Amino acid sequence: EPEVTQTPSHQVTQMGQEVILRCVPISNHLYFYWYRQILGQKVEFLVSFYNNEISEKSEIFDDQFSVERPDGSNFTLKIRSTKLEDSAMYFCASRAGPGTDTQYFGPGTRLTVL
Amino acid sequence: KNQVEQSPQSLIILEGKNCTLQCNYTVSPFSNLRWYKQDTGRGPVSLTIMTFSENTKSNGRYTATLDADTKQSSLHITASQLSDSASYICVVRDDYKLSFGAGTTVTVRA
Repeated sequence: EPEVTQTPSHQVTQMGQEVILRCVPISNHLYFYWYRQILGQKVEFLVSFYNNEISEKSEIFDDQFSVERPDGSNFTLKIRSTKLEDSAMYFCASRAGPGTDTQYFGPGTRLTVL
Repeated sequence: KNQVEQSPQSLIILEGKNCTLQCNYTVSPFSNLRWYKQDTGRGPVSLTIMTFSENTKSNGRYTATLDADTKQSSLHITASQLSDSASYICVVRDDYKLSFGAGTTVTVRA
């Protein structure tokens, strides 16, 4: 069964450094999402992406964040200058298309900012 | 503001026993409600999805109920197994966005 994959599984970085989290959505899916989950807290929506542009973003997704689909398979989340409070699990999800509602989540990347 | 509240926060049950998890929401307009299972360190996996007109839906030993009038849902786990130990998250969708509950952590003990 196809699944969403994410790399790396764990990223440790110094405060102020840039990080790029990578996701490979399910092939032929058209909608892509990033979520984060701070330890012990609920999952929070960050951004949705369709047709090579952001379709919606939350208030968390400020100018420090950006997303990109550089080729036909990868979907990336970049944090330009990490802060301590960016430490969280980051989940990528993908959805097939209009008329389908199910988002399939990847296993997550644990980001630790020191 | 759209909110999803779950209870209890956590529970411990013995293998083979049943349990019921609760979800109350204020999301509007309502599109659908899902229950996800999230194993430790993994992404959420959808268990059930319910729309406005559905009252009950089952997936194996998982049975979800929905009362759209009172904006409440429950997830019942029958004959629990050790592998049911996980966080169960209630997720409600409005027209275009998902709102997540904080989850109920279920621990099944032998």
